[in-house]
Amino acid sequence: EAGVTQFPSHSVIEKGQTVTLRCDPISGHDNLYWYRRVMGKEIKFLLHFVKESKQDESGMPNNRFLAERTGGTYSTLKVQPAELEDSGVYFCASSQDVRVADTQYFGPGTRLTVL
Amino acid sequence: QKEVEQDPGPLSVPEGAIVSLNCTYSNSAFQYFMWYRQYSRKGPELLMYTYSSGNKEDGRFTAQVDKSSKYISLFIRDSQPSDSATYLCAMRVPLGEAAGNKLTFGGGTRVLVKP
Repeated sequence: EAGVTQFPSHSVIEKGQTVTLRCDPISGHDNLYWYRRVMGKEIKFLLHFVKESKQDESGMPNNRFLAERTGGTYSTLKVQPAELEDSGVYFCASSQDVRVADTQYFGPGTRLTVL
Repeated sequence: QKEVEQDPGPLSVPEGAIVSLNCTYSNSAFQYFMWYRQYSRKGPELLMYTYSSGNKEDGRFTAQVDKSSKYISLFIRDSQPSDSATYLCAMRVPLGEAAGNKLTFGGGTRVLVKP
């Protein structure tokens, strides 16, 4: 069974540009999460989808970040316009219906560098 | 003050030694505790999941939770060079509560097991 995949693995952009990160969860997982780790800090929650609906977006830093999960499958996280402080590693995780199990499986992350 | 405190290390031990890792937390609402292992340029991988005070063993790994002290530990017996990684503690409140699916992480402890 394929794990959580993320694309790209690394992105380098200039301040003011737009970047879109993609996450493909484990097949059949209703729950999809985005987390971020900025340099020197802990991994922090950004938001949680249940199927195509945003369940909790309390961790989204500001309105430059837009997450979508059309059709309840893969998800995208767009940063527009990117700022220097957005640099870090963006992780996606997925889990099954929480009535079955709630273990979150993480992808390898997308390393974003904003110059 | 961070919700979860974890010594960043690095923690260097000789092969075969016991590795002892710990986290403290301030939020008494945390009821579920996890330890993740992260190799360089990879995503976090779940090692242990506990929800009650006391010990849980899985092979060479033992997770310990003391809710009264708000303190959790992970012990790795007979450590191997392949155990060299960053170990992250994570925790959450019960499902069904606000933000129940959100994981709160410690900063991670880097462990180096020398042959």
